[in-house]
Amino acid sequence: DTGVSQDPRHKITKRGQNVTFRCDPISEHNRLYWYRQTLGQGPEFLTYFQNEAQLEKSRLLSDRFSAERPKGSFSTLEIQRTEQGDSAMYLCASSTSQRLGGLNANEQYFGPGTRLTVT
Amino acid sequence: AQTVTQSQPEMSVQEAETVTLSCTYDTSENNYYLFWYKQPPSRQMILVIRQEAYKQQNATENRFSVNFQKAAKSFSLKISDSQLGDTAMYFCAFTISPSNTGKLIFGQGTTLQVKP
Repeated sequence: DTGVSQDPRHKITKRGQNVTFRCDPISEHNRLYWYRQTLGQGPEFLTYFQNEAQLEKSRLLSDRFSAERPKGSFSTLEIQRTEQGDSAMYLCASSTSQRLGGLNANEQYFGPGTRLTVT
Repeated sequence: AQTVTQSQPEMSVQEAETVTLSCTYDTSENNYYLFWYKQPPSRQMILVIRQEAYKQQNATENRFSVNFQKAAKSFSLKISDSQLGDTAMYFCAFTISPSNTGKLIFGQGTTLQVKP
């Protein structure tokens, strides 16, 4: 267990429905990332938060996707009007920009992911 | 644009043997970090080893070591004394200086099977 949790672990939804995923990072971490991983591929960057500010979004993140990190703690990723092409594993990771105890700067710790299936 | 390429989709190794996974990357940056991540079946991705580009010495973590060739933009992972628990998908990843966003760019992955 890396200390990063995600909920739910699995989500099956029908095309056109909205879904929301939650990520709880390691508490000392000020950086939070969302990635998408399709079967047999490496994760692809979606978006990045430093504290509560969303500082970068990938072109992969269409206008149907929105992410928030209120108060710089947990984060949510919402997909509106889901499409079959959205089926993937959504991974959250957190890191710190400072060296804290045994945690190395910029070392990302990943959650277990939320597997989304759109039928 | 930065890219990471892993040319070996699948590899296998006998338990206790040594295996090397290949990775090449492309960037015009001079200050960056390289990582190998392990993703066991249905389990969380964990960091195996990291290498700072400004360090000439190759990183080592117990049975895992890297061969970092900056000029060739190559970053291979060597696993010595392979164990059954090493069976996993391995991803090579890259990020530019931590003062930037720190987002990771991943390769396609190599599935490693350790056989008893």
